[in-house]
Amino acid sequence: DVQLVESGGGLVQRGGSLRLSCAASGFSLSSHNMNWVRQAPGKGLEWVSYISTSSKTIYYADSVKGRFTISRDNAKNSLYLQMDSLRDGDTAVYYCAREAHAPHWGQGTLVTVSS
Amino acid sequence: SYELTQPPSVSVSPGQTARITCSGDELPKHYANWYQQKPGQAPVLVIYEDSERPSGIPERFSGSSSGATVTLTISGVQAEDEADYYCQSADSTGTPYWLFGGGTKLTVL
Repeated sequence: DVQLVESGGGLVQRGGSLRLSCAASGFSLSSHNMNWVRQAPGKGLEWVSYISTSSKTIYYADSVKGRFTISRDNAKNSLYLQMDSLRDGDTAVYYCAREAHAPHWGQGTLVTVSS
Repeated sequence: SYELTQPPSVSVSPGQTARITCSGDELPKHYANWYQQKPGQAPVLVIYEDSERPSGIPERFSGSSSGATVTLTISGVQAEDEADYYCQSADSTGTPYWLFGGGTKLTVL
């Protein structure tokens, strides 16, 4: 079975850092472009970042550009999101998602930024 | 900037047909996917590439496309279908950004 499991969320102070991980199983991560998507409490879905299979192509939403860094380790079948200079508006559930004809998502990890 | 537009809410009685629309100028050029999200849960893909249904999704869920509008249709709505529904497609810039509609709350009366 295809599975994506996010981890690394938690409570962090404004201005702090956090690194999210997404562990893939049931398929080879190296064959898929990957995304991070977030959802603030009571709000809709917001795309955050994209990384191609080889990491050569990376994109960020304007809201996180310069503060977040997406990366992957295909040998470890894992995807990462380094989040720095966190703001109140970054409070959200973060999902990793596999790009495919039928995209597959993880269950998400909650990040709470407090003052 | 380019947006996908959904109605904020749709209400239907059990057994009726619910139709949720998603409009965007670039939709004729790109496939759309639909997600169902229940409170406290991750989004679940119910339709991909405009009209394809993933395995395990009930046949009452279907999708269609016409011009700049894609439609999610739920035939014979059941109480368990009450949820938020989001359309998703590609951004207009040719980059692989994912663009989401604002979401539609489906209420089963």
